[in-house]
Amino acid sequence: TQLLEQSPQFLSIQEGENLTVYCNSSSVFSSLQWYRQEPGEGPVLLVTVVTGGEVKKLKRLTFQFGDARKDSSLHITAAQPGDTGLYLCAYRYSGAGSYQLTFGKGTKLSVIP
Amino acid sequence: GAVVSQHPSRVICKSGTSVKIECRSLDFQATTMFWYRQFPKKSLMLMATSNEGSKATYEQGVEKDKFLINHASLTLSTLTVTSAHPEDSSFYICSASPRDRVRGYTFGSGTRLTVV
Repeated sequence: TQLLEQSPQFLSIQEGENLTVYCNSSSVFSSLQWYRQEPGEGPVLLVTVVTGGEVKKLKRLTFQFGDARKDSSLHITAAQPGDTGLYLCAYRYSGAGSYQLTFGKGTKLSVIP
Repeated sequence: GAVVSQHPSRVICKSGTSVKIECRSLDFQATTMFWYRQFPKKSLMLMATSNEGSKATYEQGVEKDKFLINHASLTLSTLTVTSAHPEDSSFYICSASPRDRVRGYTFGSGTRLTVV
């Protein structure tokens, strides 16, 4: 099983600030996914990055997949309190006859109004 | 599309009793569903893969006799925590993906289990 390291583990910022969180590994992935999880809820898929160097934008969120497909970053511009949550990166791997997800430990983001 | 419903959202039970959690795919068929466990402020840990019509595959360290999984139909998987103890208290989440696997995984809203 390959390891995903997410940093920072915790992040508390003021509304309107920008931030970047990271998902790193020594392994190469065919794709990586980013999820956001709010307290008491299941994770919600934000994006899947597939191509090395790929950049995807989702409103104020910008996702980048490293050229070597070993890492990914999530940049949030002008953070809002609604961005508060646990951000998880994950990769899919083939196991037990199906595709399974392995998650990083996540970055817990708090945006203070 | 691709909605997963999990029930109950919260349950409190006494030590020694069993609790059943249901995971339903509402608008698609899922031959495979996944069960995760999440401790406070921690990430999701895969417990087992539930396969329709066959036995579940458990991750290392997960007791299959304690966490019984049944995937009797293409839209329903159940997780039964048997003889629950306080250390089983956790947030349990299921996920499923449509059979075509093209779309991503959708997660249920989770079940907060508290064993007293």
